[in-house]
Amino acid sequence: QSVLTQPPSVSAAPGQKVTISCSGSSSNIGNNYVSWYQHLPGTAPKLLIYDNNKRPSGIPDRFSGSKSGTSATLGITGLQTGDEADFYCGIWDSSLSAGVFGGGTKLTVL
Amino acid sequence: QVQLVESGGGVVQPGRSLRLSCAASGFTFRSYAMHWVRQAPGKGLEWVAAISYDGRNKYHADSVKGRFTISRDDSKNTLHLQMNSLRTEDTAVYFCASAGIAVGDYWGQGTLVTVSS
Repeated sequence: QSVLTQPPSVSAAPGQKVTISCSGSSSNIGNNYVSWYQHLPGTAPKLLIYDNNKRPSGIPDRFSGSKSGTSATLGITGLQTGDEADFYCGIWDSSLSAGVFGGGTKLTVL
Repeated sequence: QVQLVESGGGVVQPGRSLRLSCAASGFTFRSYAMHWVRQAPGKGLEWVAAISYDGRNKYHADSVKGRFTISRDDSKNTLHLQMNSLRTEDTAVYFCASAGIAVGDYWGQGTLVTVSS
């Protein structure tokens, strides 16, 4: 079990908005930047958000990130069927010098 | 464009060794830290190891410490993961990833390692 807790699954209809939470502690999320990744099984994971709320070039603004205290949230608006994937939060824990990923959340667009 | 291509996976017996490679192109490899991340069947992503841009600092997850070693060859733009004393629980798809702005800016497609007798 990861120290970063995500809901196993979320779902919403096309066009709607969904949020995915990532809960940790003061020693991990509280003291480090959070990233978010999208992963379709059998493909390369893709970075969606870094430094809590920044989007890499090419990532649409339908994807957003936020962090408050020991929790982080990924938001996706204007859901599309092509958004169905597994989503992971992750950090580089500078005190442990180790990477940490959440357990992952499966998004279903109904 | 950035490309990361893993190789070296396969089926291996418990206790044996395997060496994974990751060929990088499309960016200045020697300027970036790199990671290995794995995904066991039906499980989530698990960070395995990281190496600094200059190779001086190496970090390994507790689950592989003492058995796996990350290294890099900047002359060949290649990242390696030497895996010794393999266990059945090491069965996973292994991804390499560059690390400029996050643990994984760009990722490869992965290579499958199956540890089985």
